[in-house]
Amino acid sequence: GQSLEQPSEVTAVEGAIVQINCTYQTSGFYGLSWYQQHDGGAPTFLSYNALDGLEETGRFSSFLSRSDSYGYLLLQELQMKDSASYFCASDLTDSWGKFQFGAGTQVVVTP
Amino acid sequence: GAVVSQHPSWVICKSGTSVKIECRSLDFQATTMFWYRQFPKQSLMLMATSNEGSKATYEQGVEKDKFLINHASLTLSTLTVTSAHPEDSSFYICSASQGQLYGYTFGSGTRLTVV
Repeated sequence: GQSLEQPSEVTAVEGAIVQINCTYQTSGFYGLSWYQQHDGGAPTFLSYNALDGLEETGRFSSFLSRSDSYGYLLLQELQMKDSASYFCASDLTDSWGKFQFGAGTQVVVTP
Repeated sequence: GAVVSQHPSWVICKSGTSVKIECRSLDFQATTMFWYRQFPKQSLMLMATSNEGSKATYEQGVEKDKFLINHASLTLSTLTVTSAHPEDSSFYICSASQGQLYGYTFGSGTRLTVV
């Protein structure tokens, strides 16, 4: 089976940098994805790491280390609209598709 | 970008009735779609994999006779919650993908309340 661990909540001020860590235990691993979900809304895709290293997309970056079974999502120049839940998710099969999600990290951005 | 439409966005039904939820990929074809359920303040839990033209694959603990999935075309999958009970009240979300580099696009979700 697979499990993904991430912190339950992080609070930071506008303009700050937040790092959300995700550690995983898997019987097989094919990649780590990150999704953002605002209250009452559907998850939206942020990034996907299949290989070790850093992927940068605007203010958000994601990192993966397969040897450490660890990844993180980095949110820079925080804005109020970044207040949301962030989920890491791991592929469950080698045919890109079904995910297991972490419990989610609630990011609260304060003025 | 890829758009996945889900309908209805919310529904209230009486206990014992059935509810059908539709998931459509609007600008791409999806041979596979996934159905998730999310209870308040919890994570998304995969319920089943919907395969176009064949039977759905259900995750352990999900009753296939209660949650009927039909994937009759490359752009439409439906989830029918049969004989709904209050404990089935949840947020149901579908997802589909154009391919690995695009990630998975989620539908807007359906909030089901069974009274």
